[in-house]
Amino acid sequence: DAGVIQSPRHEVTEMGQEVTLRCKPISGHNSLFWYRQTMMRGLELLIYFNNNVPIDDSGMPEDRFSAKMPNASFSTLKIQPSEPRDSAVYFCASSTGGSNTGELFFGEGSRLTVL
Amino acid sequence: DQQVKQNSPSLSVQEGRISILNCDYTNSMFDYFLWYKKYPAEGPTFLISISSIKDKNEDGRFTVFLNKSAKHLSLHIVPSQPGDSAVYFCAAAHRGNQFYFGTGTSLTVIP
Repeated sequence: DAGVIQSPRHEVTEMGQEVTLRCKPISGHNSLFWYRQTMMRGLELLIYFNNNVPIDDSGMPEDRFSAKMPNASFSTLKIQPSEPRDSAVYFCASSTGGSNTGELFFGEGSRLTVL
Repeated sequence: DQQVKQNSPSLSVQEGRISILNCDYTNSMFDYFLWYKKYPAEGPTFLISISSIKDKNEDGRFTVFLNKSAKHLSLHIVPSQPGDSAVYFCAAAHRGNQFYFGTGTSLTVIP
């Protein structure tokens, strides 16, 4: 399996622009997670989906952030409008979910820089 | 509020010695704990885990200890090798959902 695939790997944009990050989870995994890595908060859980349904989005920082999972093989994280403080590495991860022995598999991350 | 805390941002250890990384959690409902290792420009990769019904799990040079009464876990690496230099994240989960991570500890193993 190719693992969790994220795109783009790097994104540089200007403040106010819309940013869309994409994720393809591992086939057969039914849980998908979006994390943001910052120095202050480490790996911060933004939202997670189970069977394509958002279960907990309490970590989404503001209304500027939104996430969708239209099918089992694709998810997006959108920031509109983007701000410099959104600069971070965003990770997508997937798992088989619902088990206390499963692990998360991470993608390589999308590094976002908002100028 | 951080439910999983790693209070040491960095740690330096001589090659061959033991590395001990610590982690504390606040939610007693967590039933599964994991350690991840992360190299620069890569995603975190799974290292070792432990269920809340155990107090120790060993895999080669890596051992994780869990003290539920203290809500504390630790990762021991022995002997430490230069290739172990990375950021280590502690994570906790409940029923395989909502994996919460700490802020990470950057380990440097000095040759």
